Amino acid sequence: AQKITQTQPGMFVQEKEAVTLDCTYDTSDPSYGLFWYKQPSSGEMIFLIYQGSYDQQNATEGRYSLNFQKARKSANLVISASQLGDSAMYFCAMREEHGSSNTGKLIFGQGTTLQVKP
Amino acid sequence: DSGVTQTPKHLITATGQRVTLRCSPRSGDLSVYWYQQSLDQGLQFLIHYYNGEERAKGNILERFSAQQFPDLHSELNLSSLELGDSALYFCASSVLAGGIQTQYFGPGTRLLVL
Repeated sequence: AQKITQTQPGMFVQEKEAVTLDCTYDTSDPSYGLFWYKQPSSGEMIFLIYQGSYDQQNATEGRYSLNFQKARKSANLVISASQLGDSAMYFCAMREEHGSSNTGKLIFGQGTTLQVKP
Repeated sequence: DSGVTQTPKHLITATGQRVTLRCSPRSGDLSVYWYQQSLDQGLQFLIHYYNGEERAKGNILERFSAQQFPDLHSELNLSSLELGDSALYFCASSVLAGGIQTQYFGPGTRLLVL
């Protein structure tokens, strides 16, 4: 069954340090995409980064990188040089290309709340 | 700003009432998705429309319905509202329906049912 697991309900990081947010997934579809979204306290969902299952290299977008370990079915988000504005809820999500229903839906984890300390 | 707009931002209503949430996708996007975010259920997919046609349904209650209009904006109709329908409702859009497309989310509509 499709599933996304984020085991860290909350995390703290010191400003300017790097932090890793964990995400593991379960799917039997050989083709899938993994996404990270940021949800600040204002509520909007902001797309951060995408990794395709066939991508050979880990995705990077500015201070965000995705540590993709396909055999372990993990897709951890790494935020470098944390800033106070990074304090938010972070969601890992997956979309299957050939899932049983191929609905196009994103399946989300429960989220990790990150707090950046000054 | 994702380019996806949703109105209204906040909605307060009473049990048994009916409300309509509106979404305009990013320019050029043909797919619209609706999601519900609640404390107990997390983020759940409700329904997907592509170029005016329903493509897939998720955990959407029979009291809820949606449509996508020729100008590609979409509306989510929630009727016979219950306390448990209080949630943040998101609309997201992507260019196509197939393949693995990034979905860009609107700011959401926060619904409170009293």
